Amino acid sequence: KQEVTQIPAALSVPEGENLVLNCSFTDSAIYNLQWFRQDPGKGLTSLLLIQSSQREQTSGRLNASLDKSSGRSTLYIAASQPGDSATYLCAARGGSYIPTFGRGTSLIVHP
Amino acid sequence: DTAVSQTPKYLVTQMGNDKSIKCEQNLGHDTMYWYKQDSKKFLKIMFSYNNKELIINETVPNRFSPKSPDKAHLNLHINSLELGDSAVYFCASSQPAGINYNEQFFGPGTRLTVL
Repeated sequence: KQEVTQIPAALSVPEGENLVLNCSFTDSAIYNLQWFRQDPGKGLTSLLLIQSSQREQTSGRLNASLDKSSGRSTLYIAASQPGDSATYLCAARGGSYIPTFGRGTSLIVHP
Repeated sequence: DTAVSQTPKYLVTQMGNDKSIKCEQNLGHDTMYWYKQDSKKFLKIMFSYNNKELIINETVPNRFSPKSPDKAHLNLHINSLELGDSAVYFCASSQPAGINYNEQFFGPGTRLTVL
């Protein structure tokens, strides 16, 4: 059964720092991996989707990489801003097509 | 607006009651999902429907019955509500698994509180 772990669970940084959020999964036979952000009391907003055949995806200041063999994905946030404060979730979709979520990284970027 | 929408946003009810949550997507997707997010913010899939057919049922109690009248709607009916059902329920949609680009899009959530 797929298990997804996100480290760190919480992160507080000053504005302007470059950040790396980690997501690891136990079953490397994934179909894709998707990163989301969730603001308090809100739904999930899709950030990036990486297919199993891809190594990375970029959108603006965000870059997500995928290493299936090691069971890892990282989300890189460049030049962090207070508006980036949110919980970041990753979800690995396995061979059974069931998405499995991590518990998230709660990020606070302070001015 | 193109989106996934859910009603109601908040639902407060007594133990033992029966309630429904509705979900609609206008993204033209064939696959829809229900997730439960517990008090510790852990998100777990409950059901998935592809073109009105149930394809994922993750050992959810049979008090929970999803219904898909058409591929744009997936409703969740819950019988005999229990305290442990209190959570935020999210609906999502995507293109089907098997199609290369099946990014999931989420609704705003329904916060269910059982008293």
